[in-house]
Amino acid sequence: KQEVTQIPAALSVPEGENLVLNCSFTDSAIYNLQWFRQDPGKGLTSLLLIQSSQREQTSGRLNASLDKSSGRSTLYIAASQPGDSATYLCAVSGGGADGLTFGKGTHLIIQP
Amino acid sequence: DAGITQSPRHKVTETGTPVTLRCHQTENHRYMYWYRQDPGHGLRLIHYSYGVKDTDKGEVSDGYSVSRSKTEDFLLTLESATSSQTSVYFCATGTSGGENIQYFGAGTRLSVL
Repeated sequence: KQEVTQIPAALSVPEGENLVLNCSFTDSAIYNLQWFRQDPGKGLTSLLLIQSSQREQTSGRLNASLDKSSGRSTLYIAASQPGDSATYLCAVSGGGADGLTFGKGTHLIIQP
Repeated sequence: DAGITQSPRHKVTETGTPVTLRCHQTENHRYMYWYRQDPGHGLRLIHYSYGVKDTDKGEVSDGYSVSRSKTEDFLLTLESATSSQTSVYFCATGTSGGENIQYFGAGTRLSVL
């Protein structure tokens, strides 16, 4: 059974810092990995998707990397802003119609 | 954003009553999913559909049933609600082939008293 772990569970940093969120998964046979953002009381917004054959994806100040063989992914946020405050979720898919297996998330607070 | 509408958005019900949650999509995505989100557990898959009338169980399917009679609608039914089913329920859709990005609805907050 696939298990996804996210470290740290919570993080508070001053505005402007660069930061890294970590995600690990136990079964390397994944089809893709998605990073989501969830604001309090809201749904999930997809940030980045990395296919199993890719090493990284970038969108604006966000960069996600994937090391499939070691079962790890990182989400790098550059020049953090208070608006980045949210819970960040990592999820993996086994492919086809498979649902996602989620980590429990990292609750991020960016202090103004 | 993918056009995913969940209804109702909030519901309070009593133990033992039947409850149906509806997910409606306008994107013509083939795959649809129901997840629940609970503190300490994160999001977990309840059921999913890989086509009209084609459904399968997820990790936490006990006490739930689903139906999909047309592409755009996916219903989640709690036949006899229990307090352990108090949760936030999310519907998602996914495209077949290619990247299979999943898109999520805004969620339904269900309280079973």
